[in-house]
Amino acid sequence: QKEVEQDPGPLSVPEGAIVSLNCTYSNSAFQYFMWYRQYSRKGPELLMYTYSSGNKEDGRFTAQVDKSSKYISLFIRDSQPSDSATYLCAMRARGGKLIFGQGTELSVKP
Amino acid sequence: GAVVSQHPSWVICKSGTSVKIECRSLDFQATTMFWYRQFPKQSLMLMATSNEGSKATYEQGVEKDKFLINHASLTLSTLTVTSAHPEDSSFYICSAEPGLAGHNEQFFGPGTRLTVL
Repeated sequence: QKEVEQDPGPLSVPEGAIVSLNCTYSNSAFQYFMWYRQYSRKGPELLMYTYSSGNKEDGRFTAQVDKSSKYISLFIRDSQPSDSATYLCAMRARGGKLIFGQGTELSVKP
Repeated sequence: GAVVSQHPSWVICKSGTSVKIECRSLDFQATTMFWYRQFPKQSLMLMATSNEGSKATYEQGVEKDKFLINHASLTLSTLTVTSAHPEDSSFYICSAEPGLAGHNEQFFGPGTRLTVL
């Protein structure tokens, strides 16, 4: 079993839809949770960083962490074609290395 | 803030030659830098962790003599692919950590696409 599981998609939604991206993990030592966005042939861009259970909002993006269920989510409201990219969840334990999910390819159609 | 640059952005070389890739943190000091490799449609694979002034720590299966890493300063790490072969063709991405208490984020460079002919 992989430490971090993420549905690779691809996921296709119409413009304006709410997008839900999810990851599950098995290592209870993970304390820091991140979501990255990666456009084709570019490096990952940090979108959200959280370290506690609950919700964190930044504009159209909301990151949710449920440590009891070992489940994290990223919600994108009012999705735009420019949101089309691969979204990677990543997490780490204190002092540990960053472990990535497989990435979900998202396409937002105009 | 938190900008990481890489140079070159792409490089084509002949088999058997060596290629150096630079990773710089532009607006912060990075005590730790990381080198990743990414194949098409796949996630990032950590190759090595580089700490300023000390030897890099390589992940299992990564050849130290082939992928030489130098972290000479708090803002610069280099990856040299020695005697490159076509199977080394990939997208190489570096990341950097600010090294400040309470900050565990990694900020990534734009990547370097290496093609070995």
